[in-house]
Amino acid sequence: SQQGEEDPQALSIQEGENATMNCSYKTSINNLQWYRQNSGRGLVHLILIRSNEREKHSGRLRVTLDTSKKSSSLLITASRAADTASYFCATTGGGNKLTFGTGTQLKVEL
Amino acid sequence: GAVVSQHPSRVICKSGTSVKIECRSLDFQATTMFWYRQFPKKSLMLMATSNEGSKATYEQGVEKDKFLINHASLTLSTLTVTSAHPEDSSFYICSASDTGLAGGFTDTQYFGPGTRLTVL
Repeated sequence: SQQGEEDPQALSIQEGENATMNCSYKTSINNLQWYRQNSGRGLVHLILIRSNEREKHSGRLRVTLDTSKKSSSLLITASRAADTASYFCATTGGGNKLTFGTGTQLKVEL
Repeated sequence: GAVVSQHPSRVICKSGTSVKIECRSLDFQATTMFWYRQFPKKSLMLMATSNEGSKATYEQGVEKDKFLINHASLTLSTLTVTSAHPEDSSFYICSASDTGLAGGFTDTQYFGPGTRLTVL
C-alpha cells in the first residue's frame, strides 16, 4: 500500500524560481529517497537521506528530513525548464523494499 | 554505471495472449529485482520482489498466477502477464538493487525505462 503523501500534487513555477515539494509518511523508516520521472519514462534516483540525517545537499537539490513529524521536503533551487517532471519520495523500512509517495508534478515554464 | 534495461519498451497485444517483459541489469549484479505497475499520473505500486534463484514474493492483491516472475540469473528477471486483458494495460517498471562492493545490498534501486503494455 502507498504510505506516502506528497504535497502539492502539482506545482507550476517560472524558470529561475525555487520549487519545494513535501512528503509525509506513516511508519518508521531507515531512509527516504527522492526520484524524478519524466513523462513515460523510468525513475531517476536523485538523493537519499538516512533516518539519522536532517539535511542533505546535492547540486541544486536540498533535502530535509524530520523524523518526529514523519516528513521530508525537496527543494530545487534556480529551477530550469528541464526540471519539469514528476517527483516521488520513497521510503524503506527494514529491508530494501520501496514504498512510494503519490508524487508531485512539477512544471517549470520559461 | 548501474544501468537497467527493459525490453520491450512498448507492446500491444490482443486480449487473451501472454506477454513477457525482460529486465536486465547491464553493468552490475542484481540479487534482488522489483516489479512495479504505474497507472497514468499515479504513483508506482510494487507488485513483487524477485530474488535470484528463488520464488518471487508478491504483494497483497497481486495474482501470482497472472503475473509470472522468473529471476534466473543475477542480471535478468522476467515478468510474464498471462492471458492479458484490457485492465492489465499499464506501465510496468522494474528496478534492481546491486549487491554493493562489500557484497551486501545497497539502499539505492536503479530503475529501468519501463514497458508500456496495451491490451486490445
